[in-house]
Amino acid sequence: DGGITQSPKYLFRKEGQNVTLSCEQNLNHDAMYWYRQDPGQGLRLIYYSQIVNDFQKGDIAEGYSVSREKKESFPLTVTSAQKNPTAFYLCASKGTSATGELFFGEGSRLTVL
Amino acid sequence: AQSVTQLGSHVSVSEGALVLLRCNYSSSVPPYLFWYVQYPNQGLQLLLKYTTGATLVKGINGFEAEFKKSETSFHLTKPSAHMSDAAEYFCAVRPNSRGSNYKLTFGKGTLLTVNP
Repeated sequence: DGGITQSPKYLFRKEGQNVTLSCEQNLNHDAMYWYRQDPGQGLRLIYYSQIVNDFQKGDIAEGYSVSREKKESFPLTVTSAQKNPTAFYLCASKGTSATGELFFGEGSRLTVL
Repeated sequence: AQSVTQLGSHVSVSEGALVLLRCNYSSSVPPYLFWYVQYPNQGLQLLLKYTTGATLVKGINGFEAEFKKSETSFHLTKPSAHMSDAAEYFCAVRPNSRGSNYKLTFGKGTLLTVNP
């Protein structure tokens, strides 16, 4: 079935370590997004990519990095520079309809100890 | 600039009662509007969307929403709540215009609790 796969689902890391979250889609969508979700704060955009080999910062990009070498893949690295990395991370891709709704993965919960 | 305000971070209803989740938006151009649902530790699922045309939009799981331009609102309703409706609901907006960068703006969410 077509969809977006995020891995791992749960991740624990020590403070100061870089962490990479995987996001793979087989929907043939061009645009992909990373959001961070914290309780009571809704979704905040970290990075987005509208096409392979191109990406833009979102509203809270500091302490994060991404790459987009393949259409299917948009990994997110949470670096040691991110001051408060514990959160739920959601990857999404944009459908082909003109309305631009997003399709989401199941999320990755990162806990930094 | 666009923004979304969801009134009430937590709504509690009894099973069988009416569900009403409020969403107001601001947008400099006519918007596309969306409601998403999120169950615990899962991603977001599209419930329904407003594009153009009919202002009453029907979605999955018996939900519907009405676009009211004069009130800049897009409230979500369901006539009779079911226990399985307990989840967090997000309203989102995107400008309906060429050149839009397709970024959705999300509200902060409303947690719906359904009591037996």
